[in-house]
Amino acid sequence: DVVLTQTPVAQPVTLGDQASISCRSSQSLVHSNGNTYLEWYLQKPGQSPQLLIYKVSNRFSGVPDRFIGSGSGSDFTLKISRVEPEDLGVYYCFQATHDPWTFGGGTKLELK
Amino acid sequence: QVQLQQSGAELTKPGSSVKISCKASGYTFTSYDISWIKQRPGQALEWIGAINPGSGGTGYNEKFKGKATLTVDKSSSTAFMQLSSLTPEDTAVYYCARLGDYFDYWGQGVMVTVSS
Repeated sequence: DVVLTQTPVAQPVTLGDQASISCRSSQSLVHSNGNTYLEWYLQKPGQSPQLLIYKVSNRFSGVPDRFIGSGSGSDFTLKISRVEPEDLGVYYCFQATHDPWTFGGGTKLELK
Repeated sequence: QVQLQQSGAELTKPGSSVKISCKASGYTFTSYDISWIKQRPGQALEWIGAINPGSGGTGYNEKFKGKATLTVDKSSSTAFMQLSSLTPEDTAVYYCARLGDYFDYWGQGVMVTVSS
């Protein structure tokens, strides 16, 4: 199975700061069709996960432009500029290139 | 608006089975797959499998074959997941999610507790 390793496990931030989360895959996430199925989800406390980014860098409908996904191959990053209170929670990367689909272990974005 | 409404919490005994549901509304049920995702307390997410409501075709994470069985009832726009031979390791919140090119809508989750 593809292992997605997220770092850091916890990211203490001050509101208004930038935050950066890394997601490294045990193998390339480039599909045979040329697409890279790497997504980012945010799970706020007590809520279901919500989609932020799909195919590495595409923001889902309604997601603010302070969320920026980047990367290629097996190395991906989610940057959040100007962290706001509603951004706090656990971020998961997810790959749907290889079967079985897998999630990263999560990164908790929390206040310092 | 798109909604996935899941059934209520379950308390079950080891060795038993449980069937949880996910009722879809606000879109054409047969146009999107439904996936199921497991989250043990304080843990990360695990993809269980997916079902195509139109054809009934399924795909499972090998880890959950024999544990989870996915079905649908098109007449009520409801997806179901049956979990069998339950053990304490099955204690978790189970989410359903609509799957187009990604999981764009999620149910609220069902807490399944396995305890004697």
